[in-house]
Amino acid sequence: DAGVIQSPRHEVTEMGQEVTLRCKPISGHDYLFWYRQTMMRGLELLIYFNNNVPIDDSGMPEDRFSAKMPNASFSTLKIQPSEPRDSAVYFCASSLLSQPQHFGDGTRLSIL
Amino acid sequence: GDSVTQMEGPVTLSEEAFLTINCTYTATGYPSLFWYVQYPGEGLQLLLKATKADDKGSNKGFEATYRKETTSFHLEKGSVQVSDSAVYFCALQTDTGRRALTFGSGTRLQVQP
Repeated sequence: DAGVIQSPRHEVTEMGQEVTLRCKPISGHDYLFWYRQTMMRGLELLIYFNNNVPIDDSGMPEDRFSAKMPNASFSTLKIQPSEPRDSAVYFCASSLLSQPQHFGDGTRLSIL
Repeated sequence: GDSVTQMEGPVTLSEEAFLTINCTYTATGYPSLFWYVQYPGEGLQLLLKATKADDKGSNKGFEATYRKETTSFHLEKGSVQVSDSAVYFCALQTDTGRRALTFGSGTRLQVQP
């Protein structure tokens, strides 16, 4: 079975550019999570959805970040404008209600 | 708020040595507890879990017991292999209905032949 699929795997862009990260959850999963991993702050939740509806976005750093889930099989995390401090590995995960979360391989983002 | 504390790494062991990675947590109620493993360049993989006090999670020779009285979930393995080299994360999920995981800082394990 296909796991959580994220794209791109690596992204290098200049400060001020728009960045879009993509995630395809495991088919049938009703929860989708976006996490960010940095050396300084470790793994932290940005936002999560249930049945395509955002439930908790308390971890979204500021207005430059936005996330959408237009349907059950696709989500995006957008940063506009990007800043060097946004450099991190961004993980998407999905799950069924009472089951553990399955993680994608992440997108390594570098903002120059 | 909820939090997870893990021992600092890296932990360096010789092959076949005994492994313990300490994890303690702070949370109200009865959270579920998890260990995830991250190999270089990959995402996190669930290693084991426990959902109530005194439960023991186990997988691939790793074990951890949910200790409510000490709020701990220490990871153990009797004989590590070079292939166990990775970063290990302890995490909790509260019983309040919030589905997000709260992670510890991770512990890097290096196993030498």
